[in-house]
Amino acid sequence: DIQMTQSPSSLSASVGDRVTITCRASQSIDTYLNWYQQKPGKAPKLLIYGASRLQSGVPSRFSGSASGTDFTLTISSLQPEDFATYSCQQSYNNPHTFGQGTKLEIK
Amino acid sequence: EVQLVESGGGLVQPGGSLRLSCVASGFTFNSYEMNWVRQAPGKGLEWVSYISSGSSTIYYADSVQGRFTISRDNAKNSLYLQMNSLRAEDTAFYYCARDGGIYQQFDFWGRGTLVTVSS
Repeated sequence: DIQMTQSPSSLSASVGDRVTITCRASQSIDTYLNWYQQKPGKAPKLLIYGASRLQSGVPSRFSGSASGTDFTLTISSLQPEDFATYSCQQSYNNPHTFGQGTKLEIK
Repeated sequence: EVQLVESGGGLVQPGGSLRLSCVASGFTFNSYEMNWVRQAPGKGLEWVSYISSGSSTIYYADSVQGRFTISRDNAKNSLYLQMNSLRAEDTAFYYCARDGGIYQQFDFWGRGTLVTVSS
């Protein structure tokens, strides 16, 4: 199985900050990497698919990039509604494994 | 509007069985692949099972292989997960999720149903 290692596991930041979350795949996954946002008690929400493609309706402050087996989710200017847990997922091979998640908290 | 609504969760004893359902609306269900994903309380997401649009291809996570069975009824716009020989470690919220495109991203999710395995 492909392992997804996400870092950091938690992050404190302030409104307006630029934030970066990283996910590393244990082998090549091309650009089959997706990012999800989850708020407490809610279902996950797709933000980015195909490493860099913004899901319809998602604000443009969210972006994704790839470099080999390293993938990055960037939030350019944090808004209050962005404090949540973010998870990456590879969809290159079954099982479609997730990273362990990054909890983004208010500083 | 796309909607996925899960049901069937509850409290069950170890070794017991449950059948989860997910009713879809707002899209052409028989054109989409579907998945079950679970999340133990306070833990990360774990993909559980996949089924193709016509049920010809099915995959399971190793952790549930041989115990869980995914199925669908396209005439009823419904997805199912039959869970047998349940263990304490199966305790989780179970979400159905639509497979949304060429990158197999999960573009719509239900709100989940809680399965608790405990004596």
